[in-house]
Amino acid sequence: NAGVMQNPRHLVRRRGQEARLRCSPMKGHSHVYWYRQLPEEGLKFMVYLQKENIIDESGMPKERFSAEFPKEGPSILRIQQVVRGDSAAYFCASSPYDNSPLHFGNGTRLTVT
Amino acid sequence: KQEVTQIPAALSVPEGENLVLNCSFTDSAIYNLQWFRQDPGKGLTSLLLIQSSQREQTSGRLNASLDKSSGRSTLYIAASQPGDSATYLCAVNQAGTALIFGKGTTLSVSS
Repeated sequence: NAGVMQNPRHLVRRRGQEARLRCSPMKGHSHVYWYRQLPEEGLKFMVYLQKENIIDESGMPKERFSAEFPKEGPSILRIQQVVRGDSAAYFCASSPYDNSPLHFGNGTRLTVT
Repeated sequence: KQEVTQIPAALSVPEGENLVLNCSFTDSAIYNLQWFRQDPGKGLTSLLLIQSSQREQTSGRLNASLDKSSGRSTLYIAASQPGDSATYLCAVNQAGTALIFGKGTTLSVSS
């Protein structure tokens, strides 16, 4: 049973470009969470999704950021018109049901130049 | 609003020493508390999960305790080894929210 798969591992974008981060949850997991880790900061919750539904997006910036978890395929975190402050490690986690232990991927490290 | 604090932020110990990492949280209404390990440039590995009804969990040289009423948890590492060097993160889970993390304690064990 493969773990949570995130790709790409590293992503470099110039200011103003779009970044698309993918997350495939563990088999049988229908709950997906996205977290952001800034240098010297802890992990900050961004968004919680179930298949085709956004459950909680209270941690996600209102502009430029969006997330989806379609019926088929991976969850996508999309950042439009990236700025240098978006440079961070973005982690995805999945779980089989609410309030169950989370399993984390290895993250995507986004660098905005 | 739940806040999780970890003390100390960094810790250096010689190999073989027993050590304690501390985690405190402001709202005691939690479902569970997890301790994770993060190696540089890597993801998170779950170490121990304590349900709100439990007092402690043990795995090998690791022992985590939970005192919900005082809002505290400790992670005890026995006979530390250089391979234990990593950042240790504490996180709490409560109704209606995703996991809330502390900033972590970065541990360095020298040989």
